[in-house]
Amino acid sequence: GAGVSQTPSNKVTEKGKYVELRCDPISGHTALYWYRQSLGQGPEFLIYFQGTGAADDSGLPNDRFFAVRPEGSVSTLKIQRTERGDSAVYLCASSSGQGRKAFFGQGTRLTVV
Amino acid sequence: GNSVTQMEGPVTLSEEAFLTINCTYTATGYPSLFWYVQYPGEGLQLLLKATKADDKGSNKGFEATYRKETTSFHLEKGSVQVSDSAVYFCALSEATGANNLFFGTGTRLTVIP
Repeated sequence: GAGVSQTPSNKVTEKGKYVELRCDPISGHTALYWYRQSLGQGPEFLIYFQGTGAADDSGLPNDRFFAVRPEGSVSTLKIQRTERGDSAVYLCASSSGQGRKAFFGQGTRLTVV
Repeated sequence: GNSVTQMEGPVTLSEEAFLTINCTYTATGYPSLFWYVQYPGEGLQLLLKATKADDKGSNKGFEATYRKETTSFHLEKGSVQVSDSAVYFCALSEATGANNLFFGTGTRLTVIP
């Protein structure tokens, strides 16, 4: 595609529910990143994929958060038992390789009520 | 650890005014430094970067110089335009080619005609 696409753009869910956030990277980009941006803060790194594998998941806050990229393209960020503190904008970025320029999507705004 | 401290906003300037947004960092090793910009309704975009001390990054009339002695990477532009209105984020990566970025909290710039 022309850019990084994230769906949905907005998601409202009830506390305790499960959510999935999708990221479509730029075609051919092997590196994919997830970030979380809370209100008034800068983005915080969550996880980095190189191809299909999670090369660095050190930013995932706890085991309720999980991400997959089974075919090395689309990625899904999964959050179990959502909490109000999970409310944030979740950003995805892709690049042509590690350390190359990253292109960001517009994000998914998650609101947990 | 790694962190970025960024001048708090919001900043409001008249068109053609001089802009400075301060950024200082704490890092282990020799980080790469970045400025990202987020225009209204768009995703984060890389504005400029510098990968070693005394490097100057520049783009679209914006400049920033990597100052190791003061651990700073201040963003400047000599004459701002209304179209520069956006949120600006200073960021670092631990080294060239590192996986993840550490962002500041962002500075909202509004330029009025």
